[in-house]
Amino acid sequence: GENVEQHPSTLSVQEGDSAVIKCTYSDSASNYFPWYKQELGKRPQLIIDIRSNVGEKKDQRIAVTLNKTAKHFSLHITETQPEDSAVYFCAASINFNKFYFGSGTKLNVKP
Amino acid sequence: GAVVSQHPSWVICKSGTSVKIECRSLDFQATTMFWYRQFPKQSLMLMATSNEGSKATYEQGVEKDKFLINHASLTLSTLTVTSAHPEDSSFYICSALTYGLAGGLAGELFFGEGSRLTVL
Repeated sequence: GENVEQHPSTLSVQEGDSAVIKCTYSDSASNYFPWYKQELGKRPQLIIDIRSNVGEKKDQRIAVTLNKTAKHFSLHITETQPEDSAVYFCAASINFNKFYFGSGTKLNVKP
Repeated sequence: GAVVSQHPSWVICKSGTSVKIECRSLDFQATTMFWYRQFPKQSLMLMATSNEGSKATYEQGVEKDKFLINHASLTLSTLTVTSAHPEDSSFYICSALTYGLAGGLAGELFFGEGSRLTVL
């Protein structure tokens, strides 16, 4: 199946700084790439997604970029706030048939 | 957003017994549900895809006879861990896929609360 790798595993930033999380995937047929945020003790929730026909998508302080040629996509969070602290997962899917997740990045935003 | 409910949230059982975990979509019909196992180092490992009215498809390395999945209705999928052993102790989490307005290739994955299984 699809292999999704995510880096870094942990990321610590100062409040107000930007955070970038990167993922690579192995199956070139993957065409949907969501990002999930999981706060401590809670279920993962979708924060942004991107499809393969788009190179970049932005939603307020969150943006995702996709490079299909290199098979990698990234999550960018600007002006980080303490409430952004959580574990973030990237995922890849082929036509919504299955979703394969990266190993997660624990983001810590220091006030 | 859509609501997915998972039960029980935690269970402790003796080695050799079977445990059933339920995953329900409360306000939408889910023809497809996924079962994941979440390891202590955070990763979500896809175990199987549960399709309503048909057999589940398992990922490579996942024992289908040990992890029985049943998706008998459009709102309920169950995972039964048979003859559980301590190495099966983990956090199991289900997710259900909604579909776009046109029912086509669109939708969002909603997760249950997860079930913490501890096998003594």
